Amino acid sequence: QSALTQPPAASGSPGQSVTISCTGTSSDVGGHNYVSWFQQNPGKAPKLIIYEVSKRPSGVPDRFSGSKSGNTASLTVSGLQADDESDYYCGSYAGSHNFVFGTGTKVTVL
Amino acid sequence: QVQLVESGGGVVQPGRSLRLSCAASRFTFSSPHAMHWVRQAPGKGLEWMAVISYDGANEYYADSVKGRFTISTDKSKNTLYLQMNNLRVEDTAVYYCARDLGYFDAFDVWGQGTMVTVSS
Repeated sequence: QSALTQPPAASGSPGQSVTISCTGTSSDVGGHNYVSWFQQNPGKAPKLIIYEVSKRPSGVPDRFSGSKSGNTASLTVSGLQADDESDYYCGSYAGSHNFVFGTGTKVTVL
Repeated sequence: QVQLVESGGGVVQPGRSLRLSCAASRFTFSSPHAMHWVRQAPGKGLEWMAVISYDGANEYYADSVKGRFTISTDKSKNTLYLQMNNLRVEDTAVYYCARDLGYFDAFDVWGQGTMVTVSS
């Protein structure tokens, strides 16, 4: 099972928006609504920020939003803040009792 | 607050075995929550390893560890395990346990991770 494809890096100034893509196949992203996004800071465990394509867990700001079109999911961070500077990973159920993560994107707040 | 705490990591030689533990607090292994192991090699991305259903009846593995790793639970101890046999250098990683919202839905609770280093 190949990793989902994410851009290695993305950036934006405070207050701006940044969108991260996550491209898979019809077997994973395109075939299920079990797409999730995780935020990870250095040396820390990942934190769930979006699940089932566009749902936010309790406590996650509405500045974080998710969507999906075909085999590509997207995470948008609006109103960028300094503490949004992290690594972001998408993930998706891949069928046949498998799960696949994205390659990861490092977001820099300029 | 729901919490997962891993232990059991360390330095081990290639070909040897290691068992990781993941103790759960403030929740019990029950429907609908499957449990997973995920690893992250140094400087690399996340890699899904294994899942066990909430009732312990079903377990599945990534191809990279199938036949070498075994996931299990002990409900009496509220603990998840990962038995790792025939370890390889490429198994070197931080290993995380994670709770699933359902079954391959999303991982909503993560442990802090435990480092496994396979080296001669």
